Formats: sequence, C-alpha cells, structure tokens
Amino acid sequence: GAVVSQHPSWVICKSGTSVKIECRSLDFQATTMFWYRQFPKQSLMLMATSNEGSKATYEQGVEKDKFLINHASLTLSTLTVTSAHPEDSSFYICSAEGLAGDRDEQYFGPGTRLTVT
Amino acid sequence: SQKIEQNSEALNIQEGKTATLTCNYTNYSPAYLQWYRQDPGRGPVFLLLIRENEKEKRKERLKVTFDTTLKQSLFHITASQPADSATYLCALDLNSGYALNFGKGTSLLVTP
Repeated sequence: GAVVSQHPSWVICKSGTSVKIECRSLDFQATTMFWYRQFPKQSLMLMATSNEGSKATYEQGVEKDKFLINHASLTLSTLTVTSAHPEDSSFYICSAEGLAGDRDEQYFGPGTRLTVT
Repeated sequence: SQKIEQNSEALNIQEGKTATLTCNYTNYSPAYLQWYRQDPGRGPVFLLLIRENEKEKRKERLKVTFDTTLKQSLFHITASQPADSATYLCALDLNSGYALNFGKGTSLLVTP
C-alpha cells in the first residue's frame, strides 16, 4: 500500500516552455503533498506544501509564479514549471502524507528528471 | 540556522560487515528522526522512524539510535550485502507540518 506515482519520469524541454509534472497517490487519499527538488549530489530541498483545495505554501526563495502547484483532488497534485530555464533542470520529487498511513511517514514518488535545453 | 550533517565521504565496506552511518544536527529539537534509502535516479524510500523518547529502534538488519543530548543518530546495517549499496538520507521534521529537512546523504558501497 501507500504508493505514490509521478508522471513523467523524465522530460526534456526547450528554454521558455512550460512543463507539468503530476503526482498521484494510488491507493490512499493525500490531504497534503510536498514538492522537493534535488540537484546532483545535494539533499532534497522542500519547495512547497500542497493542500487539497487550497493554495500551496512555498518555501522562502521559491517563486510561486514560476512553480505553479495545483492540488485539485485528494489523489493528485501537479507542479508546472513555467518559462523553464536551464537552471531549473533538476530532479523533482513529490511526497504524500495520507489518511491511510502513519501520519509521521511520508510516501515518496519515484521522481521526475527535468532537463531544460 | 538548522543544519543536518551526514558524512559526505562514501563508506566502503566488505560484505557481511556492519555499516554505521552518522547523522548530526544543530539548532533542532526534533520530535522524530527518519532514515531513508535513495538509489540513483529514484525517490527516497522510507526505512525507519525513531521518536525523541526512543533511544533505539530495530527493523530486521537495521538499527537506529537517537541521542537527543548529543544531537546525533546512528544508522547501522548488520550483515551488509551488496544490495544494500545506496545513498542513505537522514531527515528531520521541519516544524511546519510533516515536511522534512534532509541531509545530503552518505553513499554506502558494499563489496563482495
């Protein structure tokens, strides 16, 4: 149980275009999802907290107009990187804290590798 | 500022030996600490959670200790196997819900 999926697993896009990444909880309802970013050989850095039906809360230094988050249902959150630039190339990982599991555990998705050319 | 430090140098050990990884933190009073495994190009996989009132926790070949006085956690893998080779991440709650603050991780390589 407690599986989180991400789509796509990797994407290459041109500079200036927008990319949408989906995060789904497959077998449980996720009231809260988190988006992290990980650069090579670095730790995961929290970007934003996404709550179903409300606006996301962004961490300091993360541009909310650039990284649009929509948590439209209890099983889906999306991250859209708008006007992507090469410096946005990174590994994006979502996680979910849900009603079906231990509240102190997070279930992570497999990640999405974004490359902006 | 809050910091989590893990040994940045890779740990190479021989199969069958015990691997011990260290996580130190500063400017935190965490309610719990977690350890994750991450393979290249994959998301983290939860391994163990230990709460502030617990000194030790075990799960199969894994053992975690938590010393809130030293602000340190040790993660042990006994009878290590090549399949245990991965990066191991230490994580603490960010005091803002259930979001986590991760260390950079320690890479473990178990050789036959």
